[in-house]
Amino acid sequence: TQLLEQSPQFLSIQEGENLTVYCNSSSVFSSLQWYRQEPGEGPVLLVTVVTGGEVKKLKRLTFQFGDARKDSSLHITAAQPGDTGLYLCAGVRTGNQFYFGTGTSLTVIP
Amino acid sequence: GAGVSQSPSNKVTEKGKDVELRCDPISGHTALYWYRQSLGQGLEFLIYFQGNSAPDKSGLPSDRFSAERTGESVSTLTIQRTQQEDSAVYLCASGAGAFQPQHFGDGTRLSIL
Repeated sequence: TQLLEQSPQFLSIQEGENLTVYCNSSSVFSSLQWYRQEPGEGPVLLVTVVTGGEVKKLKRLTFQFGDARKDSSLHITAAQPGDTGLYLCAGVRTGNQFYFGTGTSLTVIP
Repeated sequence: GAGVSQSPSNKVTEKGKDVELRCDPISGHTALYWYRQSLGQGLEFLIYFQGNSAPDKSGLPSDRFSAERTGESVSTLTIQRTQQEDSAVYLCASGAGAFQPQHFGDGTRLSIL
């Protein structure tokens, strides 16, 4: 059983469409991070959210941390082919334990 | 470069052989993590080092897996008597300290024949 469940697992959309990826848990996290991974490379950090209800924007990407700090979402506006990759959320609990989500594989079709 | 470096990038070996994977973290990073990733899947936590000690070994899948870190720098992950189910990408990450974001290497792709 995964501590962090991501949905959807796979997503294929046309360029210009909007999408949302969800990261859900029944546990509380002190902070949550989002990473993007491209084939043959390691994950790269996109953002860290630490406060319940926090919203962060990174160009066309909007990240939200749930009020109860149990879930998060990533919204991409006007997706581009360069957004293609595996998106991973990771929650931090006490003791410096990182729990990675199950991953969402996004394909943006030109 | 200044990033996390892993070697080898690819390793093919026969079932039953031992393999050693190396990770050079970013200089000064005290936290070091090992993960395993199957094709297109999420990350499976293996072990976490803070300095040279490993407070969390809970993710090691069996006693065939071991890891060490020396000089608060280089870490090696050793898999003894490899099995086909050990085939995966092994990723290493380092962090500046507790609760800090992780910087990943590009991984070692391990294939067991």
